[in-house]
Amino acid sequence: DTAVSQTPKYLVTQMGNDKSIKCEQNLGHDTMYWYKQDSKKFLKIMFSYNNKELIINETVPNRFSPKSPDKAHLNLHINSLELGDSAVYFCASSPRNVAANYGYTFGSGTRLTVV
Amino acid sequence: DQQVKQNSPSLSVQEGRISILNCDYTNSMFDYFLWYKKYPAEGPTFLISISSIKDKNEDGRFTVFLNKSAKHLSLHIVPSQPGDSAVYFCAASARRSSGDKLTFGTGTRLAVRP
Repeated sequence: DTAVSQTPKYLVTQMGNDKSIKCEQNLGHDTMYWYKQDSKKFLKIMFSYNNKELIINETVPNRFSPKSPDKAHLNLHINSLELGDSAVYFCASSPRNVAANYGYTFGSGTRLTVV
Repeated sequence: DQQVKQNSPSLSVQEGRISILNCDYTNSMFDYFLWYKKYPAEGPTFLISISSIKDKNEDGRFTVFLNKSAKHLSLHIVPSQPGDSAVYFCAASARRSSGDKLTFGTGTRLAVRP
């Protein structure tokens, strides 16, 4: 029973393509996140949704568009992929307002390689 | 602007000894600090946290110490076990200003030698 599952696990695609990464959590959490881990191993927040509402949008190119159809799902769509988008993308979830106490639950990551 | 720093990219420790992982931060608004553990091809898993009103929190073999004046925290693992070999991330939250957003360090790879 995977608590936070993201698909696909690996994604190799050409520059200029559009791709999506899906994330689902079965923990009943209100808040979901997308984090990006770049080549320097920096884990940096991209977006946060609380009960389908966008609450954090860091300085991310507008080629990246999150979509939350319900509070259990947060998908990430990327248009016109660039080489610099190559990274590992982690989805995470947390109960509302207690993430600092209990931490997030992360998915296992999606390794995106743009060639 | 790296607000959370882990200056040691790696650490090697003998099984049974103490592992000490260090973390420094610059943002005085941070009020919660967390440690995560990450195995290859998996997501980070939450290990232990500490509020800025405390200076120590203990959970089994894991203890986190916080020195607010030095803006420094450390994770102690005693005794270290081979299964502790992983990458450890320090993270911080400024709940009043940024809600549940976590700012992560770049990680320290711990290797525990049998």
